[in-house]
Amino acid sequence: QVQLVQSGAEMKKPGASIKVSCKASGYTFIAYYIYWVRQAPGQGLEWMGWIDPNSGGTNYAQKFQGRVTMTRDTSISTAYLELSRLRSDDTAVYYCATLRGAVPGWGQGSLVTVSS
Amino acid sequence: DIQMTQSPSSLSASVGDRVTITCRASQTIYTYLNWYQQKPGKAPNLLIYAASSLQSGVPSRFSGSGSGTDFSLTISSLQPEDFATYFCQQSYSTSWTFGQGTKVEFK
Repeated sequence: QVQLVQSGAEMKKPGASIKVSCKASGYTFIAYYIYWVRQAPGQGLEWMGWIDPNSGGTNYAQKFQGRVTMTRDTSISTAYLELSRLRSDDTAVYYCATLRGAVPGWGQGSLVTVSS
Repeated sequence: DIQMTQSPSSLSASVGDRVTITCRASQTIYTYLNWYQQKPGKAPNLLIYAASSLQSGVPSRFSGSGSGTDFSLTISSLQPEDFATYFCQQSYSTSWTFGQGTKVEFK
C-alpha cells in the first residue's frame, strides 16, 4: 500500500526558511517522481515542482524559482521541500504526491504558517 | 502550461440529486485527468483517475467520463457525505494543473 507521510506543522517568521519531509513506503521510491503542491487557506491547489528520486533532477514552477529546493535521500525513501525567504502569503498546506502509472497518491499535508 | 477550466464554481443540490461537474483542458490531455473530493481541513481524496477509473473504495455513485479536452464527474445520487469541494487535475504534463474547484452545497 502506497503511503506518503509528511512532517508536522510548523510556524515560521517572515524571511525564514522551512524544510518539509515526505517519507514514502509501499513502492519503489526511485521509480516515480515526487510532486509538491500547496494550498493556501480557502484557495485552490498550486503545483510547485517535482523531483526525480532516481536522478535527483528537478523542475520548479517559475513562480518559485530561486526560493525553492527539492531534494531526496534515497537511503530512507524521503523527499524534501525547502522554501526560503518566507512571506505571509506562503502560509499554506504543503502536499507531496506521486504518480504511479496513472494513479496519484498524496501525503496528508504539512501546514506551514508564516507570521511575525 | 495547460489550463484547466472547471464549472460550475459552486452548486446547490439536495440529497438524491444527480450532479455533474465539468472540466475543460486548454489542449488535449488524452485521458490524463483525475478527480478529487476535498473536505475542510483534509487532504484531497482521489475519486477517479485516468478520466473514468474508479479509485478503490470509492462508492460507485461517482463516475467520470471524457477524453481529449472535455471531461465530467457525475454523482448519480448525492448523499449527505458528498457535500464537499471537488477538483479536477491534469497529469498529462508533469507540470500539474488543477481546476478552480466546485463547492457542492445543500440547497
